[in-house]
Amino acid sequence: AQKITQTQPGMFVQEKEAVTLDCTYDTSDPSYGLFWYKQPSSGEMIFLIYQGSYDQQNATEGRYSLNFQKARKSANLVISASQLGDSAMYFCAMREGAGGGNKLTFGTGTQLKVEL
Amino acid sequence: GAVVSQHPSWVICKSGTSVKIECRSLDFQATTMFWYRQFPKQSLMLMATSNEGSKATYEQGVEKDKFLINHASLTLSTLTVTSAHPEDSSFYICSGRLRWGSTQYFGPGTRLTVL
Repeated sequence: AQKITQTQPGMFVQEKEAVTLDCTYDTSDPSYGLFWYKQPSSGEMIFLIYQGSYDQQNATEGRYSLNFQKARKSANLVISASQLGDSAMYFCAMREGAGGGNKLTFGTGTQLKVEL
Repeated sequence: GAVVSQHPSWVICKSGTSVKIECRSLDFQATTMFWYRQFPKQSLMLMATSNEGSKATYEQGVEKDKFLINHASLTLSTLTVTSAHPEDSSFYICSGRLRWGSTQYFGPGTRLTVL
């Protein structure tokens, strides 16, 4: 089974609107972390936001927030007030605890296009 | 966030030659560095994990004799693609982590084209 699933290969959003990028995960490890990275066309991976499995509150970083629903095993990224510069590939990733070697497993990504 | 650099940013080489890619953590000591490969329109696939001063741990299906990894210091890891072939053409990205459980910070990537 896929450990990280991103079901939206591509998304469009109008400038200044909010957009939600979906991510579901699968793990039996009680200790894990969830990450979102942005990859512009230039290729670098930019860290956006992190959510720990034991965190009580949803993570927020500026215009980015993570909608963490533990029972549903989902960790959706919400981008508020979209900007043209947000157009990029977005990857959800999971880091499992000791059993997973503390390595990151990435989803297949969602290509976001912000339109005027 | 922490800064990781990679050099070169792109390289073109002939089939059969070897190519070395450097990954440096500029403002932190990366006890662990990771090497990923990304084919066009695909996700990142972990190739190997390297801890400073010890041998790298390769993921299943990655040839350790073809992809030589050296992590000689807390700020430098190198990936050497030996006897490169066109199918090795890809985007190679490294990342560094300060300690177990901390965030991985990625380099800008190296685009390798083997003719």
